[in-house]
Amino acid sequence: QSALTQPPSASGSPGQSVTISCTGTSSDVGDYNFVSWYRQHPGKAPILLIYEVSKRPSGVPDRFSGSKSGNTASLTVSGLQADDDADYYCSSYAGSNQVYVFGTGTKVTVL
Amino acid sequence: EVQLLESGGGLVQPGGSLRLSCAASGFTFSSYAMSWVRQAPGKGLEWVSTISVTGGTTNNADSVKGRFTLSRDNSKNTLSLQMNSLRAEDTAIYYCAKCRTRSMGWNTFDIWGQGTKVTVSS
Repeated sequence: QSALTQPPSASGSPGQSVTISCTGTSSDVGDYNFVSWYRQHPGKAPILLIYEVSKRPSGVPDRFSGSKSGNTASLTVSGLQADDDADYYCSSYAGSNQVYVFGTGTKVTVL
Repeated sequence: EVQLLESGGGLVQPGGSLRLSCAASGFTFSSYAMSWVRQAPGKGLEWVSTISVTGGTTNNADSVKGRFTLSRDNSKNTLSLQMNSLRAEDTAIYYCAKCRTRSMGWNTFDIWGQGTKVTVSS
């Protein structure tokens, strides 16, 4: 199972929005609405931001939103804040043998 | 507070074995599938293994099949990953992760531990 493809980097100024893409195949992102997004600060554990494409766990602000079209999922971070400066990973359920696949990761820089 | 605390990491020679543990608290451990996810130095996240709520079924990534065994003790709220025939490419931080539901598939990892570092080197 190959990793999902994310852009290596993205950036924006405080208050602006940034959108990160996550491209998979018809065997993972395209076939299941079980795409998740995680944020990871250096040296810290990932935290869940979005699950099942567009649902937010309690406590995650509505500045974070997710969507999917075909084999590509997207995460939009609105109203960028300094704390959003981090690595972001997508993941998808990939069906056969009940496996999961992660994205290559995107480093978001808040300018 | 929901918490996962990993232990057991360390330095091991290639071909050696190591057993990681994860102590869970703050939720009904026996009601959720559980997983391990790892991250090699400077690299992205990689799913390793998932176990069912009863412990009767496990799924492993191809990269660890036949070498890693995941188990759980619901009476002690603990998860264990037995790692054998370790290779240099197994060097990573290993995270214990709670699955959002009891299902092994169609799931997400909603709570993560802080991780334990495993280094495979001679």
